[in-house]
Amino acid sequence: QKEVEQNSGPLSVPEGAIASLNCTYSDRGSQSFFWYRQYSGKSPELIMSIYSNGDKEDGRFTAQLNKASQYVSLLIRDSQPSDSATYLCAVLSGYSTLTFGKGTMLLVSP
Amino acid sequence: GAVVSQHPSRVICKSGTSVKIECRSLDFQATTMFWYRQFPKKSLMLMATSNEGSKATYEQGVEKDKFLINHASLTLSTLTVTSAHPEDSSFYICSARLPSGRTETQYFGPGTRLLVL
Repeated sequence: QKEVEQNSGPLSVPEGAIASLNCTYSDRGSQSFFWYRQYSGKSPELIMSIYSNGDKEDGRFTAQLNKASQYVSLLIRDSQPSDSATYLCAVLSGYSTLTFGKGTMLLVSP
Repeated sequence: GAVVSQHPSRVICKSGTSVKIECRSLDFQATTMFWYRQFPKKSLMLMATSNEGSKATYEQGVEKDKFLINHASLTLSTLTVTSAHPEDSSFYICSARLPSGRTETQYFGPGTRLLVL
């Protein structure tokens, strides 16, 4: 059974700090990796995708992938209170079904 | 990113009635759409995979006769909750798959909040 593990949090960081969100996955054949942000009462919103080992940067967000360690992370620089949300890690295997982690709640305090 | 809409955004119904929720991909064709359910403070739960022109594939424990899925066109999938009961009250979210090269991305609709009285 494919599993995606995330620390449920909450992860609390002060405004302006770097938030680091981590995710591990069990299926070594996984090919694509995604980070979604979900505000309370809203549906998930795609914020990053990564397919190759290494880092991928988009604005204040950096996704990091290490397939050998089966580990993917999301860094949020200069965290803002508006970044407070639940961040979902999702992993796509060859069967075209996304497996979601349970999410990490991030709280950014002003 | 691609846009997926859902209608209605919120519905309140009496126990025993049926409710239909529509999911549309607005700027792309989606041969595959997914239906999720999320209870308060819980994680997303995949209910079924909806394939255009064929029967939906339901996850274990999801009653196919209760949650009817129709995917008659490349831009529309519908979920009908039949004979709804209070325990069916939940946040229902669809997503649409957008292939991109050798991979794909799923984009979510805004969700439908169902309250069964």
